[in-house]
Amino acid sequence: EPEVTQTPSHQVTQMGQEVILRCVPISNHLYFYWYRQILGQKVEFLVSFYNNEISEKSEIFDDQFSVERPDGSNFTLKIRSTKLEDSAMYFCASSGSLNTEAFFGQGTRLTVV
Amino acid sequence: EDQVTQSPEALRLQEGESSSLNCSYTVSGLRGLFWYRQDPGKGPEFLFTLYSAGEEKEKERLKATLTKKESFLHITAPKPEDSATYLCAVPGNTGKLIFGQGTTLQVKP
Repeated sequence: EPEVTQTPSHQVTQMGQEVILRCVPISNHLYFYWYRQILGQKVEFLVSFYNNEISEKSEIFDDQFSVERPDGSNFTLKIRSTKLEDSAMYFCASSGSLNTEAFFGQGTRLTVV
Repeated sequence: EDQVTQSPEALRLQEGESSSLNCSYTVSGLRGLFWYRQDPGKGPEFLFTLYSAGEEKEKERLKATLTKKESFLHITAPKPEDSATYLCAVPGNTGKLIFGQGTTLQVKP
């Protein structure tokens, strides 16, 4: 069964360092998303991506964040200068069309120390 | 602003004790409603999509229903393996999902 895969599963980084979280969405999907979940809190939307451009971003997604689809399969989230408050689970998701179910990866647990 | 509220926050059941989880939503125009299951430390796992009031979907011990203002996830004769957090979400304009806080279900044997 097709699935969204994310790497790494866990990343520890020092404050101020850059991190890149990687995702391989389901192959025939067209819509891509990043979400984050701080421990004990709800899943929050970060950014949506369609047709090689950002279609929407949340207030959380400031200039420190960027996304890229460098080839036909990968979808990445970069945080340029990490802060302690960036510590969270980051989930990648993809869907085949607008307003249909999105499928999530298992997440990357980012710990900023 | 689109909003999703789930209740209760936590629910403890004995194995075999049926119950329902509630998801209330406020949206400018309903484009669907999704239920997910999330196990600790894992990503949300898709369960159901509902698009119109009156619609129902079933999967094993779970049944999801939708009205114009809320959705219910009915759990019939739950088993310990049904223990998880159940998330409700509605899509915004660009397909982003707006999640509720979730209901954490614990089923004791």
